[in-house]
Amino acid sequence: GAVVSQHPSWVICKSGTSVKIECRSLDFQATTMFWYRQFPKQSLMLMATSNEGSKATYEQGVEKDKFLINHASLTLSTLTVTSAHPEDSSFYICSARATQGAGTEAFFGQGTRLTVV
Amino acid sequence: EDQVTQSPEALRLQEGESSSLNCSYTVSGLRGLFWYRQDPGKGPEFLFTLYSAGEEKEKERLKATLTKKESFLHITAPKPEDSATYLCAVQEISPGTYKYIFGTGTRLKVLA
Repeated sequence: GAVVSQHPSWVICKSGTSVKIECRSLDFQATTMFWYRQFPKQSLMLMATSNEGSKATYEQGVEKDKFLINHASLTLSTLTVTSAHPEDSSFYICSARATQGAGTEAFFGQGTRLTVV
Repeated sequence: EDQVTQSPEALRLQEGESSSLNCSYTVSGLRGLFWYRQDPGKGPEFLFTLYSAGEEKEKERLKATLTKKESFLHITAPKPEDSATYLCAVQEISPGTYKYIFGTGTRLKVLA
């Protein structure tokens, strides 16, 4: 199956600093990638949709200046949490949808546990 | 408004006790319905895609079915390793967008 690699798996940062999370599709090209946030025992909350070479589309209530998304190539998207605060601590997950192929399913990375202290 | 509702929220089964998880959805046009499995602290793992009413997919002890309003994930003779949260998602036919709408999941615990 298609593989999506997300890095790092976990990160601890100080309040006020920025953190970058990478999401790579390893064996397929992904025109569209999605970034989610997940709170304990809750479902996935879509933060933004990114398309290669264009600006990300953010969901209502998500601060685009705080959560910077870049999708510079067909295999890489990054999420940068700027000026992180403890309330940004969460589990962040990316997914990628293949440009070509029979299905329209998206494949997920392993997730990144962000803790802001 | 597009919606996905999963039931039950949580389910405890004895090993070997078969059961079904439900995913009800409301979309104007269905592009696809997806089932994922998520283990604690991990990203969701893709299981199945269903496209049209009447379609069925199977994988080991899991079988997914689809009607015009809901999907079922049938688990036959489950084992403890099937314990996980099962997520359902739908994708609406909408030009230029491929958003997935997720349900809140069913937390399955299979006891040995």
